Amino acid sequence: GAGVSQSPRYKVAKRGQDVALRCDPISGHVSLFWYQQALGQGPEFLTYFQNEAQLDKSGLPSDRFFAERPEGSVSTLKIQRTQQEDSAVYLCASSQRPQGQNQPQHFGDGTRLSIL
Amino acid sequence: EDKVVQSPLSLVVHEGDTVTLNCSYEVTNFRSLLWYKQEKKAPTFLFMLTSSGIEKKSGRLSSILDKKELFSILNITATQTGDSAIYLCAGGSSYGKLTFGQGTILTVHP
Repeated sequence: GAGVSQSPRYKVAKRGQDVALRCDPISGHVSLFWYQQALGQGPEFLTYFQNEAQLDKSGLPSDRFFAERPEGSVSTLKIQRTQQEDSAVYLCASSQRPQGQNQPQHFGDGTRLSIL
Repeated sequence: EDKVVQSPLSLVVHEGDTVTLNCSYEVTNFRSLLWYKQEKKAPTFLFMLTSSGIEKKSGRLSSILDKKELFSILNITATQTGDSAIYLCAGGSSYGKLTFGQGTILTVHP
């Protein structure tokens, strides 16, 4: 596609429910990143994939957060047993080459998650 | 821990004014400094800077990096109401992740 596509745009869930957020990166992009953006703050890094390999998951806040990219294209971020502090915008970004090569990351519109 | 600090946090100007947004960074294994513009949706890429002292320009926007002082500025001349947005600065490490500042909220009044 022309840009990074994320779905759903908005997700409302009750505390304790599991949610799954989808990211479809720019076609052919090797690198994929997930960020969490709380209201009034800049995005914070969650995890990084190079193709299907998850090379860095240091930003995942707890073991309730899990991400995968099984075929090296579409990625899913799953949050289990959601809590109110998980409410945020979840942004996905992709870049053309493996990281370590200076290049910009291109962002999707994000999924706004609200936990009631 | 990596840190990026932006100032001011918010700025209100009138059309035609010139603004300067500031960004200081402490990023381990620093490789690049990026600026993004965020309106209601995705942050859109503006500039990536890797070398000190080389100004990058795009229309009315320009940016420069000082790797000795760990500092970057974003200038916008002859501001327009369409420039109203949050401007995000991010430090990129050799490991790939971006560390973002809190952002500067720019409001341009007609």
